[in-house]
Amino acid sequence: NAGVTQTPKFRILKIGQSMTLQCTQDMNHNYMYWYRQDPGMGLKLIYYSVGAGITDKGEVPNGYNVSRSTTEDFPLRLELAAPSQTSVYFCASSGTGPPAGELFFGEGSRLTVL
Amino acid sequence: LAKTTQPISMDSYEGQEVNITCSHNNIATNDYITWYQQFPSQGPRFIIQGYKTKVTNEVASLFIPADRKSSTLSLPRVSLSDTAVYYCLVVSYNTDKLIFGTGTRLQVFP
Repeated sequence: NAGVTQTPKFRILKIGQSMTLQCTQDMNHNYMYWYRQDPGMGLKLIYYSVGAGITDKGEVPNGYNVSRSTTEDFPLRLELAAPSQTSVYFCASSGTGPPAGELFFGEGSRLTVL
Repeated sequence: LAKTTQPISMDSYEGQEVNITCSHNNIATNDYITWYQQFPSQGPRFIIQGYKTKVTNEVASLFIPADRKSSTLSLPRVSLSDTAVYYCLVVSYNTDKLIFGTGTRLQVFP
């Protein structure tokens, strides 16, 4: 099983550029999450979704947008990239909730904004 | 959402038992406690989840006292490969938001 797949694994952006981080899961999970993790820090929730067509803000949503048109995909859009968005981004999914059951994480996407 | 507090770091030696405590004073009646492990450059991995008393699996045990205001993750006989960051998470019936705390960085020495 592929589980949660994130692409790209690495990306360098220039200030002001935009890009989309892709996240796909093949477990038919309704719940999907985007986190960012700065070096040496914990995870911060950016956005989450409880099903296709439903998204909501997390702790740090500014500068990001998401959509959930299918159960499988939950892309994260960065508009006008800034150095403060340099981070590792993790996508996760869960098959149950609330309360949430086990979260399955992708391998992460390392983004550098210069 | 119940806020969690954990020690920032802990050190141990191979073969020892490690207990990591998490404080969650404002946990609600229907909330569950979940623990995750994260290795460098990887996403967190689920370890264990519990509601009260004791839960044990092949990796760890989770102890939750009657008042449920704290919980303790117990790792028996740690090895070097247990060096990681451990996160305590409170999950709730009332929200789908999953907020991670700062975690506890465990370093295991030979």
